[in-house]
Amino acid sequence: DTEVTQTPKHLVMGMTNKKSLKCEQHMGHRAMYWYKQKAKKPPELMFVYSYEKLSINESVPSRFSPECPNSSLLNLHLHALQPEDSALYLCASSQARPGNTIYFGEGSWLTVV
Amino acid sequence: KNQVEQSPQSLIILEGKNCTLQCNYTVSPFSNLRWYKQDTGRGPVSLTIMTFSENTKSNGRYTATLDADTKQSSLHITASQLSDSASYICVVSVGANNLFFGTGTRLTVIP
Repeated sequence: DTEVTQTPKHLVMGMTNKKSLKCEQHMGHRAMYWYKQKAKKPPELMFVYSYEKLSINESVPSRFSPECPNSSLLNLHLHALQPEDSALYLCASSQARPGNTIYFGEGSWLTVV
Repeated sequence: KNQVEQSPQSLIILEGKNCTLQCNYTVSPFSNLRWYKQDTGRGPVSLTIMTFSENTKSNGRYTATLDADTKQSSLHITASQLSDSASYICVVSVGANNLFFGTGTRLTVIP
């Protein structure tokens, strides 16, 4: 079982809705990540937080807004999404140094209608 | 250009048989190479991680090899089981957080 917990597992939202995806880990990891994965494609990096500070933003549209309230939690706030944003959103965490295993959560399936 | 290519794209094998998946990369500077297993609709699970100096690493029935000179890695699965059916993703990293994902090999094990 993964030690990175994501909620909700499934989310259906309209294009005018505001929702959030949540991620939690208690492994003491200081790097946390958001990935987006479309069907039959590899995960695409969206954001990286290192020591609770945003260190990488892969030119993600502003309708996705990450937040790292503390070292164990990572949120992804969603607003005014498009149908093409429908995907599996994966949270991951690792120690904040090279060579460490990155642990993925089970993902949140997002459908935008 | 940093790229990770995997072959074959998909593979079907009989239960109990062995198989080998390939990964070629052009990522530089190389930090480490990981193999992940991803069941449909679930998050990837780490199988192995290898640094530059490691040639082989095993995790149960999974054995990964790395040739840093030719920039090739393989994942060998022994005595396959139905539960091995999944996508296997090769991931090469530069530094701590910069990961390059392969497109994966979809393995189906049939009885």
